[in-house]
Amino acid sequence: RKEVEQDPGPFNVPEGATVAFNCTYSNSASQSFFWYRQDCRKEPKLLMSVYSSGNEDGRFTAQLNRASQYISLLIRDSKLSDSATYLCVVSTGGFKTIFGAGTRLFVKA
Amino acid sequence: DAMVIQNPRYQVTQFGKPVTLSCSQTLNHNVMYWYQQKSSQAPKLLFHYYDKDFNNEADTPDNFQSRRPNTSFCFLDIRSPGLGDAAMYLCATSSDSGGLKETQYFGPGTRLLVL
Repeated sequence: RKEVEQDPGPFNVPEGATVAFNCTYSNSASQSFFWYRQDCRKEPKLLMSVYSSGNEDGRFTAQLNRASQYISLLIRDSKLSDSATYLCVVSTGGFKTIFGAGTRLFVKA
Repeated sequence: DAMVIQNPRYQVTQFGKPVTLSCSQTLNHNVMYWYQQKSSQAPKLLFHYYDKDFNNEADTPDNFQSRRPNTSFCFLDIRSPGLGDAAMYLCATSSDSGGLKETQYFGPGTRLLVL
């Protein structure tokens, strides 16, 4: 079993749609959680950190469920510019960071 | 602007010919990382430096080495590149303090082609 698992997609959604991604992790000792966005042939960029209480940044909402060991990302009112690969990232502390393989999102007009 | 810079952006090398990739940062972060990312795969952590302390991942081949002569620079040396080493190599930095602790900032990557 992979340490961090994501549905690879692709998710094909129309503009304005709401889309949700899930990510599961295997190490219960994991401490920090993030969502990164990666455009084609570009470097990953931080989208948001994920806190136990859940957090929202504009159209993006992230949730953490420690009991079930999963993280979610909800994108509301999808824009064409949201098309990218979304990477789930888990850190066990000590700067050991594990990336999921990413979920590809295509938003179409 | 503070940033993470990688040079070169594209590197072509021959099978078995040593190659060095470089990374520099103006963020003054004390942690620097090297990742390998192959097409449609997750970035895979090779190693990281916490200040001058080198931390190798258990499954990183011996063919990959790294140097960090000072806070700003970090190098990735591939001693004998094989065809399977063709990938994007990403450098990242983070700070172990402050509100964005552990958030990683990536450079644009170096795409390595092995002929």
